[in-house]
Amino acid sequence: DAKTTQPPSMDCAEGRAANLPCNHSTISGNEYVYWYRQIHSQGPQYIIHGLKNNETNEMASLIITEDRKSSTLILPHATLRDTAVYYCIVRVAFAGGTSYGKLTFGQGTILTVHP
Amino acid sequence: SQTIHQWPATLVQPVGSPLSLECTVEGTSNPNLYWYRQAAGRGLQLLFYSVGIGQISSEVPQNLSASRPQDRQFILSSKKLLLSDSGFYLCAWKQTSRVAFFGQGTRLTVV
Repeated sequence: DAKTTQPPSMDCAEGRAANLPCNHSTISGNEYVYWYRQIHSQGPQYIIHGLKNNETNEMASLIITEDRKSSTLILPHATLRDTAVYYCIVRVAFAGGTSYGKLTFGQGTILTVHP
Repeated sequence: SQTIHQWPATLVQPVGSPLSLECTVEGTSNPNLYWYRQAAGRGLQLLFYSVGIGQISSEVPQNLSASRPQDRQFILSSKKLLLSDSGFYLCAWKQTSRVAFFGQGTRLTVV
């Protein structure tokens, strides 16, 4: 699985958009970009994933550059409850094979949303 | 809909005591199941994964073992706990979708 690089921490004002970057310059053509977040003392929560195209769901938007070497998770209107550690992960989607669907978590970005 | 249950939520155990953490998944069949551990202030580390009943693969050598006696049941065990086994243990499942879902975790403190 490709390695990812994220800033260790970021701040965001409540109500503003939070833009969390992730570099994955060694990503392979069949690897997806996944985002999870972990609120203190809880299990990781799936946010969004994508391959090439930008994606949007009820939680966030995912913008992937054309060369796929980086991506940005956008929380359009951050709230205090969005304070969490955000993990960017790249991996193949197939559940079998040698990877068996495992997720390799890095240190993530600690996002702090303040009033 | 699919749900994952993990218990207990917190556990304090003395050094040398045994451990059994259980994880069950509802609403799906033949999922891939995973045990992760998160030490204080650190990222998640994959411990074990299973692609079927009785099939267990270990990612790192350690004092723990895992078993899958039923399709939707995954158990993490230890015969004798060490202080270094303290941490936040998370069970996860994944099937044909590309997304893995996590339980709420068990915080284990070995004293």
